[in-house]
Amino acid sequence: DGGITQSPKYLFRKEGQNVTLSCEQNLNHDAMYWYRQDPGQGLRLIYYSQIVNDFQKGDIAEGYSVSREKKESFPLTVTSAQKNPTAFYLCASSLGTGGPSSYNEQFFGPGTRLTVL
Amino acid sequence: KNQVEQSPQSLIILEGKNCTLQCNYTVSPFSNLRWYKQDTGRGPVSLTIMTFSENTKSNGRYTATLDADTKQSSLHITASQLSDSASYICVVSSRDDKIIFGKGTRLHILP
Repeated sequence: DGGITQSPKYLFRKEGQNVTLSCEQNLNHDAMYWYRQDPGQGLRLIYYSQIVNDFQKGDIAEGYSVSREKKESFPLTVTSAQKNPTAFYLCASSLGTGGPSSYNEQFFGPGTRLTVL
Repeated sequence: KNQVEQSPQSLIILEGKNCTLQCNYTVSPFSNLRWYKQDTGRGPVSLTIMTFSENTKSNGRYTATLDADTKQSSLHITASQLSDSASYICVVSSRDDKIIFGKGTRLHILP
């Protein structure tokens, strides 16, 4: 898990509520990413950020929002507009700003399992 | 359509045996291919990364191969250990900044 922390490990919310997932890294990495993992499926990119105060949509950004006010922090908000929010959410970071497909190794956090009741 | 297909879906082998996992992809234009190991309920950990010009890369008992012509990769695990029980994920990136994850192969090592 390196120097990436995600909290909490498990999160329960009622349908219709927004919820924010935390991701912090102390690796001095430039880029940070959010992925979603569903049972039997590959990870899918939600958002990524290559520098502070800038971020780009991934493949499934609808219903999610992010901010990057500090280099070490990249929180993800799951809004009520997200139709199927129950999933395992993974945050990652990498050195350099080459984007998600670059050669730079991505280091993943331990994940947050969100369950919407 | 960019796709990454892994086989088998799951595999059971005895401790000490070798095994090979397969990854076929249709991602284009190709940039790089990575293999990750993911323990249940944890984040993935990188094993290897290869570009177009690399056809083999090792990391301890893990050896990955890449055939860019046939768009196939394999991950060979030598002398398996109980701690190798995990999901192994193939990830292919394109030069137009797409990253496609396979569904993974679930490996079980029996004592």
